[in-house]
Amino acid sequence: EPEVTQTPSHQVTQMGQEVILRCVPISNHLYFYWYRQILGQKVEFLVSFYNNEISEKSEIFDDQFSVERPDGSNFTLKIRSTKLEDSAMYFCASSEPVRSPTTDTQYFGPGTRLTVL
Amino acid sequence: LAKTTQPISMDSYEGQEVNITCSHNNIATNDYITWYQQFPSQGPRFIIQGYKTKVTNEVASLFIPADRKSSTLSLPRVSLSDTAVYYCLVGGDSSGNTGKLIFGQGTTLQVKP
Repeated sequence: EPEVTQTPSHQVTQMGQEVILRCVPISNHLYFYWYRQILGQKVEFLVSFYNNEISEKSEIFDDQFSVERPDGSNFTLKIRSTKLEDSAMYFCASSEPVRSPTTDTQYFGPGTRLTVL
Repeated sequence: LAKTTQPISMDSYEGQEVNITCSHNNIATNDYITWYQQFPSQGPRFIIQGYKTKVTNEVASLFIPADRKSSTLSLPRVSLSDTAVYYCLVGGDSSGNTGKLIFGQGTTLQVKP
């Protein structure tokens, strides 16, 4: 069964450093998402991406964040200058256009645990 | 997106049927009800989706009454591996919706031996 993959599984960085989290969505999917989950808290939406542009972003997704689909398979989340409060699990998700993005199943990756020291 | 309310936690024993009810009083006509499951340190996983009446798949059943203001996820004969957080989400094809999922706190199901 196809699955979303994410690398690395765990990233440790110093405050102020840039990090890039990588995701390989399922190959025929067209909608891509990033979510994050701070330890012990709920899953929070960050950004949705379709047709090579951001469809929607949350308040969390400020100027320090950016997303890119550099080629036909990867989808990346960049945090320019990490803060302590960016420590969280970051999940990538993708969906194919079956009915509509709001009802189509999203397939989540295993996550990248980001630790900012 | 309609607000949902579900119990924070539930306990069960292996082999029992578990029913988790979600309230969504403000559900809109074009909203669907979707349940996701999340194991510790893993991403959420789709379980089931429905619009009305009953939906069943190999994992669970979803019961939706006629007024659609609530829904019940039913897990038959749970095992220890069903210990997870279960999320009820409601959303539909409104203009401008880009597919973002709004997760609440979910229901933490603890299955005991």
